[in-house]
Amino acid sequence: DTAVSQTPKYLVTQMGNDKSIKCEQNLGHDTMYWYKQDSKKFLKIMFSYNNKELIINETVPNRFSPKSPDKAHLNLHINSLELGDSAVYFCASSPGGRSGSEQFFGPGTRLTVL
Amino acid sequence: GENVEQHPSTLSVQEGDSAVIKCTYSDSASNYFPWYKQELGKRPQLIIDIRSNVGEKKDQRIAVTLNKTAKHFSLHITETQPEDSAVYFCAASIQGGKLIFGQGTELSVKP
Repeated sequence: DTAVSQTPKYLVTQMGNDKSIKCEQNLGHDTMYWYKQDSKKFLKIMFSYNNKELIINETVPNRFSPKSPDKAHLNLHINSLELGDSAVYFCASSPGGRSGSEQFFGPGTRLTVL
Repeated sequence: GENVEQHPSTLSVQEGDSAVIKCTYSDSASNYFPWYKQELGKRPQLIIDIRSNVGEKKDQRIAVTLNKTAKHFSLHITETQPEDSAVYFCAASIQGGKLIFGQGTELSVKP
């Protein structure tokens, strides 16, 4: 009965590799997000999808590519990993809407690039 | 541009004391202001939120106040307990429902 789930929880990889993180929500929400939390704990939005459509695309290197096969899933693919990509990546979902609403976060994926 | 400033970055209190965390936002169109608590190694979780048509909201030991004119909002925790120790984030919504987060406050409650 997990609301927002992510896999994997930990990811350790070498520089230059390509990796993916998967996210699923069973809350029936229309909007999903990817956040990056760096070592200083700062939470920065990367992408947002509403009903499979990209609506927020922050200044993120184009090595990062989100994909939403349906409104319950939002995956993040990262090409040519760099040391600076090491962080915790959180997926989140919300009912959406223009006025803002609670966002429910997944457990996070700790990515370490060696 | 869009910005949320949060202070202090660290806060240490004795058990039973009150804790106050303050945020300011830049977008006057923001109308939704949530507060999240993140324990070590865990996900951020909503503890309280307020909309712009309300000046204050309370939930047991937690309260949030909003001053739209000054673009300030604050989190107040009374009778703090060791389990309140965590990082707290404020956020403000902007157009399209996007949330801009503050930098976080690491609260430590000493027994």
